[in-house]
Amino acid sequence: RKEVEQDPGPFNVPEGATVAFNCTYSNSASQSFFWYRQDCRKEPKLLMSVYSSGNEDGRFTAQLNRASQYISLLIRDSKLSDSATYLCVVTVNQAGTALIFGKGTTLSVSS
Amino acid sequence: DTGVSQDPRHKITKRGQNVTFRCDPISEHNRLYWYRQTLGQGPEFLTYFQNEAQLEKSRLLSDRFSAERPKGSFSTLEIQRTEQGDSAMYLCASSLTRDRTFLNEQFFGPGTRLTVL
Repeated sequence: RKEVEQDPGPFNVPEGATVAFNCTYSNSASQSFFWYRQDCRKEPKLLMSVYSSGNEDGRFTAQLNRASQYISLLIRDSKLSDSATYLCVVTVNQAGTALIFGKGTTLSVSS
Repeated sequence: DTGVSQDPRHKITKRGQNVTFRCDPISEHNRLYWYRQTLGQGPEFLTYFQNEAQLEKSRLLSDRFSAERPKGSFSTLEIQRTEQGDSAMYLCASSLTRDRTFLNEQFFGPGTRLTVL
């Protein structure tokens, strides 16, 4: 079983749609959680950290359920510029060194 | 540009040759990481340095791979006797970490794309 698993995608949505990505992780000792965004042929960039209480950044909302080992990302009012691959990321040790990435889910927003 | 830089951006080599990649982290970042990413997959952790000390290595880092960060600034990743399976994007990241219990953001470089023929 992969350490971090994500929806296979791709997700093709029209502008203005709401889209949700799901992610599960296998190691119950996982300490920190993130969503990264990766544009085609570019490096990954941190989109947002994910906290147990849930957190929101503009149109983006992230949720964490430690009991279910589940992470989600909700994007409201999708823009063309949201088209990218979204990577679910966890760290295991407390020092938070190695990032463990899921395979990513590709989102394509069309006009 | 004050971000993470990597050189070269692309490398094509023949099987069996040695290759070396360089990473220059963001100035004053004390941690430097190497990851590998193949098509359709997320990045996979290879190794990381805190200053000049290599503190963690993934089991993915075979004996043919070696990484150094001699002065705690730039780092090199060498692959000896390359194999076709080594073809991938090699990503470097850096972070400024002072508190062991708090993960500071890792900033990624543009990567070096390796093709082994």
